[in-house]
Amino acid sequence: GENVEQHPSTLSVQEGDSAVIKCTYSDSASNYFPWYKQELGKRPQLIIDIRSNVGEKKDQRIAVTLNKTAKHFSLHITETQPEDSAVYFCAAKYNFNKFYFGSGTKLNVKP
Amino acid sequence: NAGVTQTPKFQVLKTGQSMTLQCAQDMNHNSMYWYRQDPGMGLRLIYYSASEGTTDKGEVPNGYNVSRLNKREFSLRLESAAPSQTSVYFCASRLASTDTQYFGPGTRLTVL
Repeated sequence: GENVEQHPSTLSVQEGDSAVIKCTYSDSASNYFPWYKQELGKRPQLIIDIRSNVGEKKDQRIAVTLNKTAKHFSLHITETQPEDSAVYFCAAKYNFNKFYFGSGTKLNVKP
Repeated sequence: NAGVTQTPKFQVLKTGQSMTLQCAQDMNHNSMYWYRQDPGMGLRLIYYSASEGTTDKGEVPNGYNVSRLNKREFSLRLESAAPSQTSVYFCASRLASTDTQYFGPGTRLTVL
């Protein structure tokens, strides 16, 4: 099966700084990599995703990069704001239907 | 359009009791999923249903059973609850054309 590792487990940045969260996956057959944001007590919500045939994708202050050779992908948040504080999860889609999640990164943006 | 709904929101069980968690989606998605979320461990796949009439095991299926009742509904059953099953359970459905998963609000289950 697939194994997804996520680092760091906690990240504290000053408002306006950038934040980077990294994930690695083990199975080269995985082809879809979403990122989710989860606020306390709420459901995970998709914030950005990338497919294996694309190297980078941006959506305003959020970007995701994928290195298929090294089997890692990263979430980049620029100009962080206090409302970006949450837990972020990466995931990989394996074997057509299965999704494996990283263990999460708690991001704290200090005003 | 309610999206993905789950019932109940909270539940407390005693060890050995049984219960069924309900999930429904009104987005006409083919695939549905059950995850559990424990502190510091992210979401782990329990079971999934790629389409109506099919179900498959995920990472952590032991102690659970599922039923895909129809295209809308996917239930998760605990036959004999154990304290290790204390967790938050999320149901999700997936739009096959984009792979996007939509999550329900979750059920917080405590087994004493």
